[in-house]
Amino acid sequence: NAGVTQTPKFRVLKTGQSMTLLCAQDMNHEYMYWYRQDPGMGLRLIHYSVGEGTTAKGEVPDGYNVSRLKKQNFLLGLESAAPSQTSVYFCASSHRDTLRETQYFGPGTRLLVL
Amino acid sequence: SQQGEEDPQALSIQEGENATMNCSYKTSINNLQWYRQNSGRGLVHLILIRSNEREKHSGRLRVTLDTSKKSSSLLITASRAADTASYFCAADSGGYQKVTFGTGTKLQVIP
Repeated sequence: NAGVTQTPKFRVLKTGQSMTLLCAQDMNHEYMYWYRQDPGMGLRLIHYSVGEGTTAKGEVPDGYNVSRLKKQNFLLGLESAAPSQTSVYFCASSHRDTLRETQYFGPGTRLLVL
Repeated sequence: SQQGEEDPQALSIQEGENATMNCSYKTSINNLQWYRQNSGRGLVHLILIRSNEREKHSGRLRVTLDTSKKSSSLLITASRAADTASYFCAADSGGYQKVTFGTGTKLQVIP
């Protein structure tokens, strides 16, 4: 099992450019999440999904969109990147079973917006 | 706002010593989890303690939970250089938004 993978690992964007971050998991997890991690801020939830075809807003959703067309994939889109979106982005997934609530994280994507 | 807040923000100890990190949270929880993050990597789940549990062990890890004080502690015994990492608590208040993470404790274990 590869677990949770993220592509790309690193990206530099200019202000106003768009991009899509891809997250894939091979554990058949129902739930998937996108977080951003900034120094001194911990992890903040951007969007999440409780199943294929469903998405919902987290704590800091502005400027981002997501899609979950397939159960194993969760895409995070930036339509018009801003320097404030410079961050490290982590994807995670978990089972729906409340007895197995561990989140499994990908390795992260470092995004720099100039 | 962050559900979990860790204390201290940074901790430096000698190999073999014990390391204790504390976490406080704001609302009632279903469970509290601890994660480790090595530099430049994703978070890795360490241990989960449910709201009806007071203490839990896993190898060199010991977690306590005091729901009356809304706090938890993570003890790493006989620390090793490989334990150098950031440690995060994550409070699960239930509902679809699942856990909210604290700002982390950066642990350095000096060989």
